Amino acid sequence: GDSVTQMEGPVTLSEEAFLTINCTYTATGYPSLFWYVQYPGEGLQLLLKATKADDKGSNKGFEATYRKETTSFHLEKGSVQVSDSAVYFCALSLYNQGGKLIFGQGTELSVKP
Amino acid sequence: DAGVIQSPRHEVTEMGQEVTLRCKPISGHNSLFWYRQTMMRGLELLIYFNNNVPIDDSGMPEDRFSAKMPNASFSTLKIQPSEPRDSAVYFCASTSREVNTEAFFGQGTRLTVV
Repeated sequence: GDSVTQMEGPVTLSEEAFLTINCTYTATGYPSLFWYVQYPGEGLQLLLKATKADDKGSNKGFEATYRKETTSFHLEKGSVQVSDSAVYFCALSLYNQGGKLIFGQGTELSVKP
Repeated sequence: DAGVIQSPRHEVTEMGQEVTLRCKPISGHNSLFWYRQTMMRGLELLIYFNNNVPIDDSGMPEDRFSAKMPNASFSTLKIQPSEPRDSAVYFCASTSREVNTEAFFGQGTRLTVV
């Protein structure tokens, strides 16, 4: 079945460090890929998305590239801030499933000053 | 638009009681999803609706759980009777059924069953 696998957390970094959170997927069709972020006590917010192979999604300094050959969508940021501390979810959706999102297990990021 | 609105934000109830969670999707969205989030199992899709019709309820854990969407602007998730293992944060999300449209999430209902 369709699924998403993320690297396990928690990830603890110092401010201005480089961030990578790995995400790989399995899908029967041709999915769209997303990264959502969840701040403490809040719902999920879309961070970025990519809809076809080699697309790069970007937002707030975060980037992820849709790699069909490796079925991956790794999240990166060159210099993290304390305010980036949150839980990050990788997800896919398939058009023929009504926009249903399938999530990875989430990766908690903690950035220390 | 105010976004996806869920109520209540917090609910504490005793085991065996009926619990009803409510969701108002974004106007114009025609897909609605109910998710449950726990530390152990992460985010689980319980059920989703397209145009008010339940499409996939395979994630509903037991017959104690039921969901309805009587119109395009309202959905409920009911647990009867509730059990302590139902304690979790329940999220509602909505989206338009266009290709690649993002899903918008409510702030969730934190349910505690004691």
